[in-house]
Amino acid sequence: DSGVTQTPKHLITATGQRVTLRCSPRSGDLSVYWYQQSLDQGLQFLIQYYNGEERAKGNILERFSAQQFPDLHSELNLSSLELGDSALYFCASSVDFGSYEQYFGPGTRLTVT
Amino acid sequence: DQQVKQNSPSLSVQEGRISILNCDYTNSMFDYFLWYKKYPAEGPTFLISISSIKDKNEDGRFTVFLNKSAKHLSLHIVPSQPGDSAVYFCAASKGSGNTGKLIFGQGTTLQVKP
Repeated sequence: DSGVTQTPKHLITATGQRVTLRCSPRSGDLSVYWYQQSLDQGLQFLIQYYNGEERAKGNILERFSAQQFPDLHSELNLSSLELGDSALYFCASSVDFGSYEQYFGPGTRLTVT
Repeated sequence: DQQVKQNSPSLSVQEGRISILNCDYTNSMFDYFLWYKKYPAEGPTFLISISSIKDKNEDGRFTVFLNKSAKHLSLHIVPSQPGDSAVYFCAASKGSGNTGKLIFGQGTTLQVKP
């Protein structure tokens, strides 16, 4: 158990809909990262937050947005969903903004039908 | 543009033998490399890392080798155990440490046969 929690575990929704994925980092960690793993792909970095502020951005679609709240939990919002958005979404946390050794949650599997 | 590549999707070895997983990268700005292990239905778990100023780092049965001139790194597992069967991801990071953003390879599935 990494100490990072993600909810929900599975999500099935239709095209055009909007969903919110939630992540709670390890106790004491200030940085949260979001990664997407599509079929047969490695993990693609989406976005990083540190202590409530956006720190780095990857190839995150404009339909996707994220935020980190004062209690340090983070939410990833996916809107106008398309079939291609079906993937595993992982949240990771680390103690600092430049920490490469990150602790990953179990992931949320999103299926768009 | 895949900056980190793991060209072998899978590898099968016998218990007790050496497992060698390979990774190539294209960006010479990468300065830190990591290996993560992933079991089904779990998130990736950090395994071992190496800074670009080193060419080898060892931790128990796991050793990572870095060849900067060839832009190649490898993970050696000796001796391999059935519990090592998992997907292994190579990852890289670049820059000043302002972000922990990681670039991952596609992963290699290791099967260790008893």
